[in-house]
Amino acid sequence: RKEVEQDPGPFNVPEGATVAFNCTYSNSASQSFFWYRQDCRKEPKLLMSVYSSGNEDGRFTAQLNRASQYISLLIRDSKLSDSATYLCAVNKVGYSTLTFGKGTMLLVSP
Amino acid sequence: EAGVTQSPTHLIKTRGQQATLRCSPISGHTSVYWYQQALGLGLQFLLWYDEGEERNRGNFPPRFSGRQFPNYSSELNVNALELEDSALYLCASSLGTVRTEAFFGQGTRLTVV
Repeated sequence: RKEVEQDPGPFNVPEGATVAFNCTYSNSASQSFFWYRQDCRKEPKLLMSVYSSGNEDGRFTAQLNRASQYISLLIRDSKLSDSATYLCAVNKVGYSTLTFGKGTMLLVSP
Repeated sequence: EAGVTQSPTHLIKTRGQQATLRCSPISGHTSVYWYQQALGLGLQFLLWYDEGEERNRGNFPPRFSGRQFPNYSSELNVNALELEDSALYLCASSLGTVRTEAFFGQGTRLTVV
């Protein structure tokens, strides 16, 4: 099993739709979890950290399910500008280095 | 506040040459991480430096090396370049503890011909 796995997509959704991404991780001792957004040929930008209690930032909600070892990202009311690749990242146990999934591509159409 | 800066933005080298990539972290950040992102592939962890020391290394050959300077800036050196080394090299910085967030620079696009 890979350390961090994501559905590669692409997810094609119309504007205004709600879309959810999941990311599974293999090491139950992982301690920190993040979602990044990467536009084509650009650097990843931190979208949000994922806390045990879940967290919300505007249209974006992140959840952590430790029992099933996955994190999720929910985007409500999708905008054209949300089109990007979404990367989940999990710390390597005992280190602050992050292991990234390969990303899920989101395409929002008018 | 300045973010993570990398130089050069683009670099073209010939197979067998050496490449040096540079990274300046966010002020106050002591940890620098290097990642490779080849076309169509995910981010692969290369190296982690903290307080001037190499703390962790990814699954890359020894010709990938680097260092961190007293001002926490960092250099990645790739020796004996191979065509497969062509990729976007990304540097990130953080405070270095497990739960702190990492922020990326814009990357150096290395092309080996």
